[in-house]
Amino acid sequence: DVKVTQSSRYLVKRTGEKVFLECVQDMDHENMFWYRQDPGLGLRLIYFSYDVKMKEKGDIPEGYSVSREKKERFSLILESASTNQTSMYLCASSPRVRNYGYTFGSGTRLTVV
Amino acid sequence: GDSVTQMEGPVTLSEEAFLTINCTYTATGYPSLFWYVQYPGEGLQLLLKATKADDKGSNKGFEATYRKETTSFHLEKGSVQVSDSAVYFCALSDGNTGKLIFGQGTTLQVKP
Repeated sequence: DVKVTQSSRYLVKRTGEKVFLECVQDMDHENMFWYRQDPGLGLRLIYFSYDVKMKEKGDIPEGYSVSREKKERFSLILESASTNQTSMYLCASSPRVRNYGYTFGSGTRLTVV
Repeated sequence: GDSVTQMEGPVTLSEEAFLTINCTYTATGYPSLFWYVQYPGEGLQLLLKATKADDKGSNKGFEATYRKETTSFHLEKGSVQVSDSAVYFCALSDGNTGKLIFGQGTTLQVKP
């Protein structure tokens, strides 16, 4: 069964910490995405990547960065965590074929205290 | 730019009731259309999709027909179960980039 795996389901971090959220896919997909999901705001795209070492800003990149050193892994980095980054974070991947849709991970619920 | 509009929730139904969740879109070109479902505490799962006008996607008793003339992709199920309680997202694929554009999501609660 194809999978997108996010390393943690729940995470609690302190304000000011540097936080790494990891996402790994085993489907050889070219495209990978990071979203955050908040009540009443739907899904908001943070960053995406169409290839190794490539990254593109999404709709809300401020306070975040990403790393894609290998095709299967896409990391989201919170440079200095703040309480307004408390959220559900969802990783997704898709092949280059445009009509395939995304495969999502199970999500990481991050709480910044 | 391209966009997706879903009916606002929450939608509350009794078990075995008929379900419709409305979705309309604005897009240039010929996007593919998708419905995703998110169960509590989980990520999104692809429920069904349609890639061209008049296509009908179906899965697990859910159906949606790609209507180009009304720019709609409404989700329907003839008889809902308590286990269908979830958040449902309509989405379209941007024809140029392949990125998905999501609606706001509609929460469905089914009561026994």
